Amino acid sequence: GEDVEQSLFLSVREGDSSVINCTYTDSSSTYLYWYKQEPGAGLQLLTYIFSNMDMKQDQRLTVLLNKKDKHLSLRIADTQTGDSAIYFCAEPLDSGYALNFGKGTSLLVTP
Amino acid sequence: NAGVMQNPRHLVRRRGQEARLRCSPMKGHSHVYWYRQLPEEGLKFMVYLQKENIIDESGMPKERFSAEFPKEGPSILRIQQVVRGDSAAYFCASSPRPKDRNTEAFFGQGTRLTVV
Repeated sequence: GEDVEQSLFLSVREGDSSVINCTYTDSSSTYLYWYKQEPGAGLQLLTYIFSNMDMKQDQRLTVLLNKKDKHLSLRIADTQTGDSAIYFCAEPLDSGYALNFGKGTSLLVTP
Repeated sequence: NAGVMQNPRHLVRRRGQEARLRCSPMKGHSHVYWYRQLPEEGLKFMVYLQKENIIDESGMPKERFSAEFPKEGPSILRIQQVVRGDSAAYFCASSPRPKDRNTEAFFGQGTRLTVV
C-alpha cells in the first residue's frame, strides 16, 4: 500500500515553534491522528482532527489540514525540551480500527 | 491502572529459533491490535484480536507468524523460525471496544526483536 510520508528529523531551539509535516494517502480519511513517542515509552495519542475541519488548536498544539493536497501539519508553540520525541502521523485504514502510520519525525529541542 | 504491558522489551533470537512476544492489555480491554515497525518504516497493522477470536489478520505474513488472545492471560505474537528480516519493533495496542473515531487505542512500549 501507499506510505504516509513524514520528514525524519527536525531540530529546533527551546522557545521556538516546531512544525512537523505529513502527507497522507487516502483523501477519504475521515479523521487523522498525531501520536507522540517519548524515549522508552509507547505511542501516546497527542491530538486528532476530523476531515471536516481545517484547523484544530489545543493549548500549544495547532493542527492544520489541507484536504486538497492531503497534507497535515502539527505546530508546537514555545517548544520545550520535554517535547523532544518521535511524532507519528496516522490515518485510519478502510477497516476503521487499524491505522496506517508514517515513519515518524524525530524532534530534538536544544536549549 | 497499568497501561498496556509488553514483554520482553528486548528480545534477541538466532536465525531459526522461535520468538514469543507477549502483550497484556489495559484492564477492561478485550480488543488487541499488533503492529510491526521495520527499520526506517512506519508502523504497519498486523492483526486484530478479540478475546479468543482473530478478527482481522490481513496484515500478518502468511507463514511463520501466528497470534492468539486466550480467555485468560496475555495476547501472544509467535514467530517461528525467525529470519533476519523479522528484526523490528512490535507494538501492541488495546481498546475497550472496537477502535473507531470515538475510541482510543492505547499502545504499549513495544518489543524490539533482533535476529542474529
